[in-house]
This record gives sequence, structure tokens and C-alpha cells, in this order.
Amino acid sequence: TQLLEQSPQFLSIQEGENLTVYCNSSSVFSSLQWYRQEPGEGPVLLVTVVTGGEVKKLKRLTFQFGDARKDSSLHITAAQPGDTGLYLCAGRRGSQGNLIFGKGTKLSVKP
Amino acid sequence: GAVVSQHPSWVICKSGTSVKIECRSLDFQATTMFWYRQFPKQSLMLMATSNEGSKATYEQGVEKDKFLINHASLTLSTLTVTSAHPEDSSFYICSARGFSSGQSYNEQFFGPGTRLTVL
Repeated sequence: TQLLEQSPQFLSIQEGENLTVYCNSSSVFSSLQWYRQEPGEGPVLLVTVVTGGEVKKLKRLTFQFGDARKDSSLHITAAQPGDTGLYLCAGRRGSQGNLIFGKGTKLSVKP
Repeated sequence: GAVVSQHPSWVICKSGTSVKIECRSLDFQATTMFWYRQFPKQSLMLMATSNEGSKATYEQGVEKDKFLINHASLTLSTLTVTSAHPEDSSFYICSARGFSSGQSYNEQFFGPGTRLTVL
């Protein structure tokens, strides 16, 4: 059973389009993180959200943590080819709990 | 930010040999290190967690005698894949959490990964 469900698994869009990636769970997380990973490299942290309903913006990326801290979304506005990569959400239960990763969303932005 | 390095970045070995992968925290003390495995087009799967000076805690299904983890210092952890077989070919990523100059890092910082190919 996958604790964190990410959707969609794959997304191929044209430059300039908007997109949203979802991360859902039936479990409550103390914090949730979004990472971006490029082929052959380790994941790079984009953002951490800790408060239910929290919204964080990172340039064209908007992250939202669900009110109940069970789900999160990542919205990219006007996607660019440089946004191409694997986007991973990871939740932590408890302050010292291990990170639990979703399966990831592979995004391809075509010029 | 805190930096984690891995060495080697890639390794090719023959079936039956052992391979050691190093993970170092460059500018902070890593009290806890995590080892993940990632198969192609899949997410990161946690293999084990190690606290400095203690034995590693392995996730269910991970053979502790096959994947030897040593975390003898606050800046270095090693993963040794013993008697490697082609099915062990994967991308191995370490991650670390710790402190620096009195500041505690609750975040995990990831290394760049090591691509292991077993022929």
C-alpha cells in the first residue's frame, strides 16, 4: 500500500501551459516536502509546508498543504522546459519520523 | 545550505564482487544518515537509517548482511553491497540530517546519488 499517492504519474505539456500535481494520503503528516530530481542526480528540496492550509510560492511554483495536513498540491504557472524533471512529494509523521516518498510525477515541458 | 557528497558517482562491477559507497556531510555533523535505493522510473525507497555510532535500522525486506552500513563518524557513512548481483543494479542515494554550529537541521539533505551497475 502506497502511503502517499501522487498524480498524475506522467505529464507532458507545451511550454507556457499551467499544471497541477497532487499528493494525497489518508494519513496526517507533521510536514510535507516537495523535491525535484533530475536524471542521475539526487532530489533537491523545493519547499517544506508544515501548517494546514499553508500556501507557499517559489517564483512560478505554488505549493499548498491541505487543511487536514493529509494532502498537498504543486501548481506551476507558465511551465518552461527547465521545469522538466521528476517531482516528488514526501511526508513526515512526527517531528523525527522518516520521510515517506510518493512515487513521483515525471514532468516533460516541450518548447 | 548543508551539502552531502557521495563517492563514487557511478560504479560498474562484476557479479559476486563487493562495492562500497561513501556518503559524506561536508559542512555539518550528520547525526542520522539514510540510505535509499531508486530503480528506474520509480521513487526513492528507504533501505536503512543509521545514527552515528549505532547499528543501522533496516527497513523490512532489506537484507542487513547484504547491505552493510557503517556510520562511524559524524561526517561519514558507508554502504557496502556485498556479493553484488545484477538485480542490485540501481541508483543509491544517501541523505543526512544533523547540526552545525549549534543549529539543528530537521531537514534531510540528499547526496547526488551513486549509479551501480552489476554485470
